[in-house]
Amino acid sequence: DTAVSQTPKYLVTQMGNDKSIKCEQNLGHDTMYWYKQDSKKFLKIMFSYNNKELIINETVPNRFSPKSPDKAHLNLHINSLELGDSAVYFCASSQDHQQGSSGNTIYFGEGSWLTVV
Amino acid sequence: QQQVKQSPQSLIVQKGGISIINCAYENTAFDYFPWYQQFPGKGPALLIAIRPDVSEKKEGRFTISFNKSAKQFSLHIMDSQPGDSATYFCAAVSYKYIFGTGTRLKVLA
Repeated sequence: DTAVSQTPKYLVTQMGNDKSIKCEQNLGHDTMYWYKQDSKKFLKIMFSYNNKELIINETVPNRFSPKSPDKAHLNLHINSLELGDSAVYFCASSQDHQQGSSGNTIYFGEGSWLTVV
Repeated sequence: QQQVKQSPQSLIVQKGGISIINCAYENTAFDYFPWYQQFPGKGPALLIAIRPDVSEKKEGRFTISFNKSAKQFSLHIMDSQPGDSATYFCAAVSYKYIFGTGTRLKVLA
């Protein structure tokens, strides 16, 4: 039973297209995240939602729009895709957003490989 | 001040050897220091973590050493195995996670 699942796993698309990545967690967690991992393996947080409310937005271009219909889902929509958007996008979740004080573990999905051509 | 510096970028170790990955931070507000392990094609997963009130934590072959005064912590993998080949990320956590830049470990059979 997958804890954090995201679809699609692979996505190849042309520049200028709009695409979405869906994410669901069945851990009962309150907080969900989107991370971007580039070709050098750097992991960078993009967004964090707690109970459907945006709490972290890390200077991501506004072509990226997250949507959380409920606390178990956090989808990522990307408009006007650019070559530089090619990366692996990880959805993740944790019990709550007070990360340090409670030693929250972040649970990652398996990633969505986006290639823009 | 929010950065976590991780080294080396890549590491090759013979089977049975010791793998050591180092991280350094500046912000004294960090109060939780986890290490994540990522296998190819998978998402990162928590490996081991430490709080700054202890200097060492050991779980099986994996040990975190923590030096609060130097603001450094390291991961030691004893008796490294080919199955340990992965990318390792340290992190420092206060109100959010700050990940290090990752270390690609390859353990030769």
